[in-house]
Amino acid sequence: EADIYQTPRYLVIGTGKKITLECSQTMGHDKMYWYQQDPGMELHLIHYSYGVNSTEKGDLSSESTVSRIRTEHFPLTLESARPSHTSQYLCASSDGAVRGYTFGSGTRLTVV
Amino acid sequence: GDSVTQMEGPVTLSEEAFLTINCTYTATGYPSLFWYVQYPGEGLQLLLKATKADDKGSNKGFEATYRKETTSFHLEKGSVQVSDSAVYFCALSDNAGNMLTFGGGTRLMVKP
Repeated sequence: EADIYQTPRYLVIGTGKKITLECSQTMGHDKMYWYQQDPGMELHLIHYSYGVNSTEKGDLSSESTVSRIRTEHFPLTLESARPSHTSQYLCASSDGAVRGYTFGSGTRLTVV
Repeated sequence: GDSVTQMEGPVTLSEEAFLTINCTYTATGYPSLFWYVQYPGEGLQLLLKATKADDKGSNKGFEATYRKETTSFHLEKGSVQVSDSAVYFCALSDNAGNMLTFGGGTRLMVKP
């Protein structure tokens, strides 16, 4: 039973389209994170939020944007998708990093 | 800053072999340490954790001991199965409890 949900699981879209990747959690966690995972497996933090109306950019520069209007919801938007955005995107949440993160199942995005 | 170094993969073993995946870290203070596992096409799942020196985390036959003197948290399993084939990530928490720092991941392949 997943407590953090990502939709869609797989997405193939054309260049120039606007897309939103959804991430929702039911655990009431304040902290949420977006990672981009390249084929070499390494995780790159692209956005994070420590609460409602608080968002920050991560270590890896990304053309995506995020919002945090509700505690449970942390969507990621690409205004104009490009082939270089093809990747796996993982969402995670936490009520304190000392207890670890809970990850969603990921969205695998392919831009053609 | 904090960092985590894992042995490079892939690690290829025969079924029932002994597994060790090395993980060392650099951090200030007393971080919590974690191992996550990622099965193909999925997000990361927490495998085990340890919160202080000399603690041993264990789950599903996997073990890791928090060694502060060697700044290590090596993952071990006495007898691997084909179903253990996955990518394994070592991670540590920052002192503020806001963020995890991940290693680069180690792919394990177990052959029948």
